[in-house]
Amino acid sequence: QVQLLQSGPEVKKPGASVKVSCKASGYTFTNNGITWVRQAPGQGLEWMGWISAYSGNTKYAQKVQGRVTMTTDTSTSTAYMELRSLRSDDTAVYYCARDSATLTTGWFDTWGQGTLVTVSS
Amino acid sequence: QSVLTQPPSASGTPGQRVTISCSGSSSNIGTNYIYWYQQLPGTAPKLLIYRNNQWPSGVPDRFSGSKSGTSASLAISGLRSEDEADYYCAAWDDSLSGPVFGGGTKLTVL
Repeated sequence: QVQLLQSGPEVKKPGASVKVSCKASGYTFTNNGITWVRQAPGQGLEWMGWISAYSGNTKYAQKVQGRVTMTTDTSTSTAYMELRSLRSDDTAVYYCARDSATLTTGWFDTWGQGTLVTVSS
Repeated sequence: QSVLTQPPSASGTPGQRVTISCSGSSSNIGTNYIYWYQQLPGTAPKLLIYRNNQWPSGVPDRFSGSKSGTSASLAISGLRSEDEADYYCAAWDDSLSGPVFGGGTKLTVL
């Protein structure tokens, strides 16, 4: 079955960077894209960006543009999300989700289990 | 402040029918598909409805989606205790050039 397995929890200091991985299985990785969504404690869902595993094209939310980089490694069917210059309000659970290969639309049919990133001095 | 507006809470008793609304604008719900997600406590979101009113495999037809103009609704019939969760609507927004979520509705089964 389709699965997305994310890396473990991270604790970072303000100003540092974090890189979260998302390993896909159960489908042809390059037939889809990966979207990243985060959820601050007790808050709602926030779309961060999308990457096509087919073309490598990306689209980032304005709020994190300039601080985020999304990449894929097709040889291992793994997507990565790196967030730099971390602030306390980046503390959240970060989810990857399977998306379209051509354009993100809001249709995320499979989600990873989430990765808690805590930013604290 | 979310682009899509949902009531923060909703409730019902077992067996009842409950609806959750999602209000947007012409740049999102008015011209694009709506999606609904269910997030059980402590778990990742799960796709519940896609393209306004379609069910992914495995989702019971007790859940149904509809859209009219710039608003959408999720209806849950035959309410069960296991339906207690947070529900989120989502849609592409033409102005922001990206998907947007509602703020979420916490459903309590009394």
